Amino acid sequence: EIVLTQSPGTLSLSPGERATLSCRASQSVSSSYLAWYQQKPGQAPRLLIYGTSTRATGIPDRFSGSGAGTDFTLTISRLEPEDFAVYYCQQYVSSPFTFGPGTKVDIK
Amino acid sequence: QLQLQESGPGLVKPSETLSLTCTVSGDSISSSSYYWGWIRQPPGKGLEWIGSVYYSGSTYYNPSLKSRVTISVDTSKTQFSLKLSSVTAADTAVYYCARGGYYYFYLDVWGEGATVAVSS
Repeated sequence: EIVLTQSPGTLSLSPGERATLSCRASQSVSSSYLAWYQQKPGQAPRLLIYGTSTRATGIPDRFSGSGAGTDFTLTISRLEPEDFAVYYCQQYVSSPFTFGPGTKVDIK
Repeated sequence: QLQLQESGPGLVKPSETLSLTCTVSGDSISSSSYYWGWIRQPPGKGLEWIGSVYYSGSTYYNPSLKSRVTISVDTSKTQFSLKLSSVTAADTAVYYCARGGYYYFYLDVWGEGATVAVSS
C-alpha cells in the first residue's frame, strides 16, 4: 500500500498570501496518478487537480500542481477567502487507492 | 449534469450490515469510461477508499475491508450499492459515492455524503 504524508498539518496564512502544500509518497507515483481535493466543513471533497498538474473543470488558475516521483506540491498563488479549507492528495496508481491525511489551510 | 445521491439508514446496530445506495442521474451509469466508488470519512478524520464497481459488475475493494464489503450495480435503476457487514463503532462515518475514471481513478463527481452511525 502506498502511504501518503502531507505537510504541514496546518497552514495559517492571510488572504492574498501564497500557500504551498506538500504531499510525499512512500514509493514512486507516476505523475499521471496523483490528484488533489479541497474539502470545506460539511461538504464533500471537490476535485482540484489530477495527473499532478491538470486543473479540473472550473478550477481557477491560482491553483497549480507540480512534482514527480515521491514529492508533489499544490500551490495556491494568492489565497482567496473561499480557499480556506482542508486539502487532500490521493494516489490512484495502485490499489488500494489512498489519500493523505490532509493539510488544513486556515486564516491567520 | 451528473449528480450522485446517497441514501440509506442513518443508524445501524453493531454486528449488523450497513447498506447504502447511490443513485446516478444526469448521465449513464453504463458508460465504459468510468468506475463508481465508495469512500468514507470518520468524524474529524481523513478519507478512505472502500471500493469500486464497473457497470459490468466487476469490482475491486480495499484489502482492509474486503472481507466485509460487497459493492454491486443495477444499471436498470442507475444505482450502485454498498453493503458492509459486521459493523462496529469504527465504521461510523460519512459515506460518499463518487465517479472515478476507468484508467485514472481520480474522483471528479461526488455525492453529498450520507452519515451513518453504528450504535445500539
